Amino acid sequence: DAGITQSPRHKVTETGTPVTLRCHQTENHRYMYWYRQDPGHGLRLIHYSYGVKDTDKGEVSDGYSVSRSKTEDFLLTLESATSSQTSVYFCAISDSRATSEQYFGPGTRLTVT
Amino acid sequence: AQTVTQSQPEMSVQEAETVTLSCTYDTSESDYYLFWYKQPPSRQMILVIRQEAYKQQNATENRFSVNFQKAAKSFSLKISDSQLGDAAMYFCAYSKYNQGGKLIFGQGTELSVKP
Repeated sequence: DAGITQSPRHKVTETGTPVTLRCHQTENHRYMYWYRQDPGHGLRLIHYSYGVKDTDKGEVSDGYSVSRSKTEDFLLTLESATSSQTSVYFCAISDSRATSEQYFGPGTRLTVT
Repeated sequence: AQTVTQSQPEMSVQEAETVTLSCTYDTSESDYYLFWYKQPPSRQMILVIRQEAYKQQNATENRFSVNFQKAAKSFSLKISDSQLGDAAMYFCAYSKYNQGGKLIFGQGTELSVKP
């Protein structure tokens, strides 16, 4: 299995509070991604990174920001959490821009009350 | 915009039998990749199989095979000799070639396997 960890694995927070989720990889892969999974929607891309300090928006980026200061870490921040951001968040990595083959972390379940 | 549709929210199969999960997609691109991912109750996303659009030959991985119909934009997954461990949510996904790996997922099909 690819070396990908996510922290925390579970979090409950209140509306309006900032939240940061961390994705850490030991594979030295260039590309990293954040997805959210909601019932009936599959997984949807939030943000992605194609290198240190190189990030771009995905399909559902509103309300989220990301940072990547090191190859191994990709942070997802909810500046002011809302109930609509209650979801399961997955990080993924890839070493190929061309083939798109991605490997996923274990996921973080976030509940915003 | 590209879309991926899985029209079967739930499927069921008897152990040792064969089941086919359907997926259709919409794209104007000629070069792209298609994937099937498995998500068991552990929630871990596991890559099952990958198909390159430029290849006419259908991909196969042990008991898993695909039926890729490019003109019809159809990409079904066949699971042969189903096992209890195959019970999971299955997602079909699309990615445009050389686009930095941005995956577009279908809604998923939940497969149950009856002993």
